[in-house]
Amino acid sequence: AQTVTQSQPEMSVQEAETVTLSCTYDTSESDYYLFWYKQPPSRQMILVIRQEAYKQQNATENRFSVNFQKAAKSFSLKISDSQLGDAAMYFCAYRSGLTRSAHDMRFGAGTRLTVKP
Amino acid sequence: KAGVTQTPRYLIKTRGQQVTLSCSPISGHRSVSWYQQTPGQGLQFLFEYFSETQRNKGNFPGRFSGRQFSNSRSEMNVSTLELGDSALYLCASSFPGASTDTQYFGPGTRLTVL
Repeated sequence: AQTVTQSQPEMSVQEAETVTLSCTYDTSESDYYLFWYKQPPSRQMILVIRQEAYKQQNATENRFSVNFQKAAKSFSLKISDSQLGDAAMYFCAYRSGLTRSAHDMRFGAGTRLTVKP
Repeated sequence: KAGVTQTPRYLIKTRGQQVTLSCSPISGHRSVSWYQQTPGQGLQFLFEYFSETQRNKGNFPGRFSGRQFSNSRSEMNVSTLELGDSALYLCASSFPGASTDTQYFGPGTRLTVL
């Protein structure tokens, strides 16, 4: 079964600096999708970035980028120029490309990011 | 486009009661999934619906049920509430067949069982 591991329960970063959140996953599938979601205190899960496993190029969305290492099964999120509004719980998620079912979506335990002014 | 909406946002019930939560997906999305989020268990999959049919169900007792209507709106029902049902219930919608089937989440319903 697929698993997603976020080894950093908490991280902190100074405003305007860069922080990297780690995520590793375990799967025997070759077709899958990876996601980072942000859940601020308002509780809504917001999609930050996504990566298709078949794409070698790392995804980027403005200040957010990923380092996708398929062989190492690693999918880290880099936040550049951190802002106070980035403070949230961040979840790494895996979704099977075979079934594409939410039933086969796996979430990590989350990393709580604090941004210091 | 409007996002996923969930009603109500907050609910307080007592043990033994039942509750119905509602979710309206993003326009055009036909797949709706439900998750239970608790501090101890994290995000746990409840159900997945597509075109009014339940595709999958997570490992939850029969007290948890759901359905999807022809307009893709979905409801979930929990009967005979227990204290352990206190949680944030999240709904997500997606457009099956899209390149990533990305799930977009609603703001959640916070259920407290006393």
